Amino acid sequence: SQKIEQNSEALNIQEGKTATLTCNYTNYSPAYLQWYRQDPGRGPVFLLLIRENEKEKRKERLKVTFDTTLKQSLFHITASQPADSATYLCALDVNAGNMLTFGGGTRLMVKP
Amino acid sequence: KAGVTQTPRYLIKTRGQQVTLSCSPISGHRSVSWYQQTPGQGLQFLFEYFSETQRNKGNFPGRFSGRQFSNSRSEMNVSTLELGDSALYLCASSSPGLGGETQYFGPGTRLLVL
Repeated sequence: SQKIEQNSEALNIQEGKTATLTCNYTNYSPAYLQWYRQDPGRGPVFLLLIRENEKEKRKERLKVTFDTTLKQSLFHITASQPADSATYLCALDVNAGNMLTFGGGTRLMVKP
Repeated sequence: KAGVTQTPRYLIKTRGQQVTLSCSPISGHRSVSWYQQTPGQGLQFLFEYFSETQRNKGNFPGRFSGRQFSNSRSEMNVSTLELGDSALYLCASSSPGLGGETQYFGPGTRLLVL
């Protein structure tokens, strides 16, 4: 069966450290993989998109890697800040349409 | 540009009733998608509309339906509400609607079914 797995447990890190979140998937061949941030009571906010033929993408303190052999994406936040505390969702776009399949999300807590 | 807006923000209904939720996409966006978010199932795709046509559909029963108007505004309807329909309903818009695009989400409508 098809699955997208993110760490269901919260990730607690100290301010200034690098947070690394994992997204693993099985039985998918995504054309794109996206990462979103969601704060309580709000809709998800787009962060980064990476295509199947890209290995790495960066935006300011954010970095995403995409390994289609391992079927895994890693999402890194460097120099983390308390304001980065939120739930982070990975989403697969299998048919290059606008039909995203989301993982369960990982809650990140950055402590000062 | 104004963001995606959804109305109403909160709604309480009883089992068996029906409900209509509205979504106004970002100006110029022609693709509108709907998602259901619950603590147990997470974010699940309901359907996508582009130029007034349903282009993609998720795995939800026929009680869930939608439509899109010529100005790209979209509505979704849930008939014969069940307790399990209690959720946050999110709509997202994108441009130019070719796929693989950033989805801009609205704040959601929180539906509680009693």
